Amino acid sequence: EDQVTQSPEALRLQEGESSSLNCSYTVSGLRGLFWYRQDPGKGPEFLFTLYSAGEEKEKERLKATLTKKESFLHITAPKPEDSATYLCAPQTGANNLFFGTGTRLTVIP
Amino acid sequence: DGGITQSPKYLFRKEGQNVTLSCEQNLNHDAMYWYRQDPGQGLRLIYYSQIVNDFQKGDIAEGYSVSREKKESFPLTVTSAQKNPTAFYLCASSPRQTYEQYFGPGTRLTVT
Repeated sequence: EDQVTQSPEALRLQEGESSSLNCSYTVSGLRGLFWYRQDPGKGPEFLFTLYSAGEEKEKERLKATLTKKESFLHITAPKPEDSATYLCAPQTGANNLFFGTGTRLTVIP
Repeated sequence: DGGITQSPKYLFRKEGQNVTLSCEQNLNHDAMYWYRQDPGQGLRLIYYSQIVNDFQKGDIAEGYSVSREKKESFPLTVTSAQKNPTAFYLCASSPRQTYEQYFGPGTRLTVT
């Protein structure tokens, strides 16, 4: 059975305090691993897709990495506007993204 | 501007009534999707469509119906058979080449 676990469920950081979010997954036939950012009451915003172990992608203060069992979203020197829920979603089929429950990040000024 | 629109943003219905949620995209994407999001749960796939006039059930299709008569449009009907319809509904689309799904702003449906 496909499973994805995101940790921690919630994270509070001081502005400038770097940290990492974890996405652990057990899926058959991983095709890709997607990261999204979701603000309250809005649709998820696409951030990254990772396709193979060892791959890394960066966007501003965010860097996503992928291993065979986990993906990490590293946040360097976060700002209050980085506050959001971050969702990961392994792709298990041509049209199937299996979403985690997310990590709710709060960055305090 | 290219994007995905969902309307309305908030929708209220009485129990026993069918309701249709709108989703339109002008990104020229082939595939479209419907998800529901409930507190404490991940997004769950209701239906998806890879091409006009064709669609497939997702993980939680019972009590829902869709149509795909135009490439740009993928409306979702929540029927009275759906036992717990109150939720946040999200529509997404993706190009065939990458399968990267782009989401609309969502519709919050409340059924009382």
